[in-house]
Amino acid sequence: GNSVTQMEGPVTLSEEAFLTINCTYTATGYPSLFWYVQYPGEGLQLLLKATKADDKGSNKGFEATYRKETTSFHLEKGSVQVSDSAVYFCALSDGGNTGKLIFGQGTTLQVKP
Amino acid sequence: NAGVTQTPKFRVLKTGQSMTLLCAQDMNHEYMYWYRQDPGMGLRLIHYSVGEGTTAKGEVPDGYNVSRLKKQNFLLGLESAAPSQTSVYFCASIGVGRGTDTQYFGPGTRLTVL
Repeated sequence: GNSVTQMEGPVTLSEEAFLTINCTYTATGYPSLFWYVQYPGEGLQLLLKATKADDKGSNKGFEATYRKETTSFHLEKGSVQVSDSAVYFCALSDGGNTGKLIFGQGTTLQVKP
Repeated sequence: NAGVTQTPKFRVLKTGQSMTLLCAQDMNHEYMYWYRQDPGMGLRLIHYSVGEGTTAKGEVPDGYNVSRLKKQNFLLGLESAAPSQTSVYFCASIGVGRGTDTQYFGPGTRLTVL
């Protein structure tokens, strides 16, 4: 079945450091790929998405490219801020017409001043 | 426009007690979902609904029931709570079931079963 695997956390970085959070997936067909972010005490919100191979999603300085050849959707940011501290979830659409998502286990990012 | 709201925010139950979690959305969305979030396991789908009056099982449905009597509301019930159901519960909604669309999440309900 379809699945998503993320790098284990927590990831601790200093402010202005470069961030990469790895995400790989297993899926049949051509799923859409998403990154959701969960700030402390809140629900999830969409950070970015890509709906077909080679698409790049971007938002708030974060980027991720849909790589079908390596089945990956790694999240990157060139210079993190303390306010980026959160849990990041990679997800894929489960196909069909149900809108269901399959999530990775989440990666906690802590940015220190 | 409140988006997706959940009631209550926190709840403590004793083993064997029952409760209902309410999810409401004001975006006229057709599809709604209930997830549970446990440490190291991401979000797992409990039940979902593709329209008023319909429900379907997700990945981890055992011990839960749901109802979608009104389009804007999706209720999650625990008939006899167990400590294994201690978790954070999130509701989400989406306009239609296109795989490209964004799910909108509520703020969550933290449930502890003693």
